[in-house]
Amino acid sequence: DIQMTQSPSLLSASVGDRVTLNCKASQNIYKNLAWYQQKLGEAPKLLIYNANSLQTGIPSRFSGSGSGTDFTLTISSLQPEDVATYFCQQYYSGSWTFGGGTKLELK
Amino acid sequence: EVQLQQSGPELRRPGSSVKLSCKASGYSITDYLMHWVKHRPEHGLEWIGWIDPEDGETKYAQKFQSKATLTADTSSNTAYMQLSSLTSEDTATYFCARNGYYFDYWGQGVMVTVSS
Repeated sequence: DIQMTQSPSLLSASVGDRVTLNCKASQNIYKNLAWYQQKLGEAPKLLIYNANSLQTGIPSRFSGSGSGTDFTLTISSLQPEDVATYFCQQYYSGSWTFGGGTKLELK
Repeated sequence: EVQLQQSGPELRRPGSSVKLSCKASGYSITDYLMHWVKHRPEHGLEWIGWIDPEDGETKYAQKFQSKATLTADTSSNTAYMQLSSLTSEDTATYFCARNGYYFDYWGQGVMVTVSS
């Protein structure tokens, strides 16, 4: 199985900060990567698919980049409602795997 | 509006089984694969498998091959997952999620607690 590694596992930032979350695949997955936001007690929400495509209805402060093995989710200006855990997911191999998550909190 | 409505929380004894449901509305379940995902806070998200409701084809992650059984009833637009031989390791929240690659709609999740 393809392993997905996210860093950092915990990130503290202030409102208005530019925030960068990282995701690394154990092998080339091209652009077959999605990002999800999960708030406490809720289902995950799709933010980004195909590495850099913004899901309908998601604020434009969220963006994704990368291809191959290294990917990034960027929040251009952190808002209080962005406090959540963020997961990356690969769907290249036919056996879907998720990263361990980055918990984003307010400083 | 697309919605996936999952059944309520379950409490089971070790060694028993449980069958979870995921009722779709706003679209036909035969149009998309239905995936199931396990969530434990200390372990993150784990993909269990998918079912193609149109023909019943399934695919499972290796570790869930003998644990989970996925089925679907097109007449009620509902997908099901049965978990067997439950242990404490199966205590988790289980989500159904739609689509073939990335998951664009998710159920609200159902908590399964395995305890004697």
